[in-house]
Amino acid sequence: GIQVEQSPPDLILQEGANSTLRCNFSDSVNNLQWFHQNPWGQLINLFYIPSGTKQNGRLSATTVATERYSLLYISSSQTTDSGVYFCAVGDKYNFNKFYFGSGTKLNVKP
Amino acid sequence: SAVISQKPSRDICQRGTSLTIQCQVDSQVTMMFWYRQQPGQSLTLIATANQGSEATYESGFVIDKFPISRPNLTFSTLTVSNMSPEDSSIYLCSVLRGGETQYFGPGTRLLVL
Repeated sequence: GIQVEQSPPDLILQEGANSTLRCNFSDSVNNLQWFHQNPWGQLINLFYIPSGTKQNGRLSATTVATERYSLLYISSSQTTDSGVYFCAVGDKYNFNKFYFGSGTKLNVKP
Repeated sequence: SAVISQKPSRDICQRGTSLTIQCQVDSQVTMMFWYRQQPGQSLTLIATANQGSEATYESGFVIDKFPISRPNLTFSTLTVSNMSPEDSSIYLCSVLRGGETQYFGPGTRLLVL
């Protein structure tokens, strides 16, 4: 299967700080998504971004498919950004198979 | 987007028993997915549930332990059978919309004593 590595594993920020989360993957993919899992366990889809750059408010993401990595930027972080951020990639040979990274646990302090 | 509900939201069960988790989607989907998230871990795909055919299980998961039903295009169940404490996890169902975006239900938190 596809190996998905996320870094850093843990991140502590002061409210208002910016951060960059990274996702490396081991093979070509047909799908890449970023998710936020809040402290109650709910997974929220942030971006569908197999390539290129997208922005949504304080969040933006960039995927460089040829170099097999994606970045999630969080600007002006808020305490509500706390939780775990997962990167998930789709297998190009099996459109319904997704591989999740181990996540980045973010704690934003007031 | 997709609106997905799961029942129960949480449960505490005794070892050796079974629990059936329900997943309801707000509109028809071809495939539904079941994931397990063990404490502090990432998500692992258990199986893909297709309407009208047997589920496809991932390596390490077997039908006898995790039987799945898919009676129609908006509903699926996952049963965790003969439970042990190692089955304590969050179980999540998900769907793929537009062939691109995966949406998850709120999850079922299971604790096995």
